Amino acid sequence: QKEVEQDPGPLSVPEGAIVSLNCTYSNSAFQYFMWYRQYSRKGPELLMYTYSSGNKEDGRFTAQVDKSSKYISLFIRDSQPSDSATYLCAMSSYNFNKFYFGSGTKLNVKP
Amino acid sequence: KAGVTQTPRYLIKTRGQQVTLSCSPISGHRSVSWYQQTPGQGLQFLFEYFSETQRNKGNFPGRFSGRQFSNSRSEMNVSTLELGDSALYLCASTAQGGYGYTFGSGTRLTVV
Repeated sequence: QKEVEQDPGPLSVPEGAIVSLNCTYSNSAFQYFMWYRQYSRKGPELLMYTYSSGNKEDGRFTAQVDKSSKYISLFIRDSQPSDSATYLCAMSSYNFNKFYFGSGTKLNVKP
Repeated sequence: KAGVTQTPRYLIKTRGQQVTLSCSPISGHRSVSWYQQTPGQGLQFLFEYFSETQRNKGNFPGRFSGRQFSNSRSEMNVSTLELGDSALYLCASTAQGGYGYTFGSGTRLTVV
């Protein structure tokens, strides 16, 4: 079993839709949770990070962590074609020695 | 502020050859990590270097090795290349090994 599971998609939505991206994990030692966005032919870029459980909002993006269920989510409101990319979740224990990534969900926002 | 620079961007090699990839981290960043990205396996951790010392290592065979120089620049080497080594190799840096990486654009290695 992989440490982090993520549905690869692809996920296709119309412009303006609310998008929900999710990951599950098995290691209860994970404390830091991150979301990266990766455009084609580019490296991943950090979108958001959260510590432990709870919500964090940044513009159209909201990250949620439920440690009791070992489940994290990224919500994108009012999705735009420019949001079309692969979204990767990542997590780490407190010492950041190693990050574990999901396999990525490919999102396509249609105009 | 310059980002993480990886060279070369693209590389084609033959089975059995060896290859060296280079990574220049963001100025001031002392932690450099390497990942292999493939469609089937996603991002897999290779190793992390901090102040010229390998601090952490993933589950890759000994054909994969790396090093870090005093200016924090890092190289990774893959010897005796196999077809399955074809992948995007990503380098990422952080200041002290903090919560989030800054990734380079990667080196696309194709083994034929």
